[in-house]
Amino acid sequence: EDKVVQSPLSLVVHEGDTVTLNCSYEVTNFRSLLWYKQEKKAPTFLFMLTSSGIEKKSGRLSSILDKKELFSILNITATQTGDSAIYLCAVNSGGSNYKLTFGKGTLLTVNP
Amino acid sequence: NAGVTQTPKFQVLKTGQSMTLQCAQDMNHNSMYWYRQDPGMGLRLIYYSASEGTTDKGEVPNGYNVSRLNKREFSLRLESAAPSQTSVYFCASRRVLGRIEGTSGGSYNEQFFGPGTRLTVL
Repeated sequence: EDKVVQSPLSLVVHEGDTVTLNCSYEVTNFRSLLWYKQEKKAPTFLFMLTSSGIEKKSGRLSSILDKKELFSILNITATQTGDSAIYLCAVNSGGSNYKLTFGKGTLLTVNP
Repeated sequence: NAGVTQTPKFQVLKTGQSMTLQCAQDMNHNSMYWYRQDPGMGLRLIYYSASEGTTDKGEVPNGYNVSRLNKREFSLRLESAAPSQTSVYFCASRRVLGRIEGTSGGSYNEQFFGPGTRLTVL
């Protein structure tokens, strides 16, 4: 059974801080790892990672994958209150069903 | 494009009542999914439909049924609601991000989510 574990489960920081969110996984036939941001409503897609060591970057957010150690990190620099959200990590293990296995998420709260 | 739409947005049921959650997507996606999200539990897959005409159980299918009515629509039915089914329900469809080199038809994908239905069972 595929398994995705995120840590920490919750985190409170002040504006301007840098945060690192962690995601480890155990899956058969790994295909990709995805990060989502969920504010009050639906999760929205941030990044997809497929290869080790290649950083994906979007503004103040960046992410990297280590396929040997089976984990990924999501970094957010110079945090803002608008970064407050649940960050979800998911893994796709291939196959024709295209299912995703999600972690429980990290609740990030950024205080002014 | 409306993306993925879900109705209703909110619903309150009494134990034993039945209802159907509706989901539709206008992006011509092949695969669709139903999840439930409970505090501290992340997103758990209830049922999915890899393509029109097929449906399969996910991680937590008990107490639910689904119908893939056509390529656009995928509904979730609760036949006899129970308080344990109080949750937020999300429908999603699969968006192809790119093809995998060296494979015949393999693709990288993400799932595009609807706005959710908040269901309370008393």
